[in-house]
Amino acid sequence: DTAVSQTPKYLVTQMGNDKSIKCEQNLGHDTMYWYKQDSKKFLKIMFSYNNKELIINETVPNRFSPKSPDKAHLNLHINSLELGDSAVYFCASSQGPTSWETQYFGPGTRLLVL
Amino acid sequence: GENVEQHPSTLSVQEGDSAVIKCTYSDSASNYFPWYKQELGKGPQLIIDIRSNVGEKKDQRIAVTLNKTAKHFSLHITETQPEDSAVYFCAARGQGAQKLVFGQGTRLTINP
Repeated sequence: DTAVSQTPKYLVTQMGNDKSIKCEQNLGHDTMYWYKQDSKKFLKIMFSYNNKELIINETVPNRFSPKSPDKAHLNLHINSLELGDSAVYFCASSQGPTSWETQYFGPGTRLLVL
Repeated sequence: GENVEQHPSTLSVQEGDSAVIKCTYSDSASNYFPWYKQELGKGPQLIIDIRSNVGEKKDQRIAVTLNKTAKHFSLHITETQPEDSAVYFCAARGQGAQKLVFGQGTRLTINP
């Protein structure tokens, strides 16, 4: 059984379009995250939700808007896509938001903006 | 805020030899240090972690050491095998902090 799943796996779109990435976890975790991995493999957190409440909001353009309809889902909507948004986006989850909770990552969504 | 530096960026070793990856962190309050392995086309997976109250932790061929005074920690892989080839990330998290800060990653290649 897949613990953290993301859809779609690949996303190719034109500049200016709006797109969404969906994430679901079946681990019963309370906390979910979105990370961005650039072409140099650098992994940086974007957002985190705990029990559907936003707890981390890094310096991310307003064009990115996360939504957590329930504890098991965290979606990422991106407006007016730009070339620089091309990256791999990873969803992750953990039991809770405390210091040493293991984070479990999804397989990633590869976004290419043309 | 926390800053994590990881070296080397690439590492190539012969199968059966050992591999060592090193990380330094800036926040002396950090107390949790996980290591993740990312295989091609997949998400990162936790392979081992260490808390600040211990200096070393071992799990079969993998070990992590922590030097709190010097603010650095290392991943040691012994008897390397081809399936160890991947990108490895270290990370650090401060007490009360809500986010992990990752190093830049090390691409490890095991040569047969």
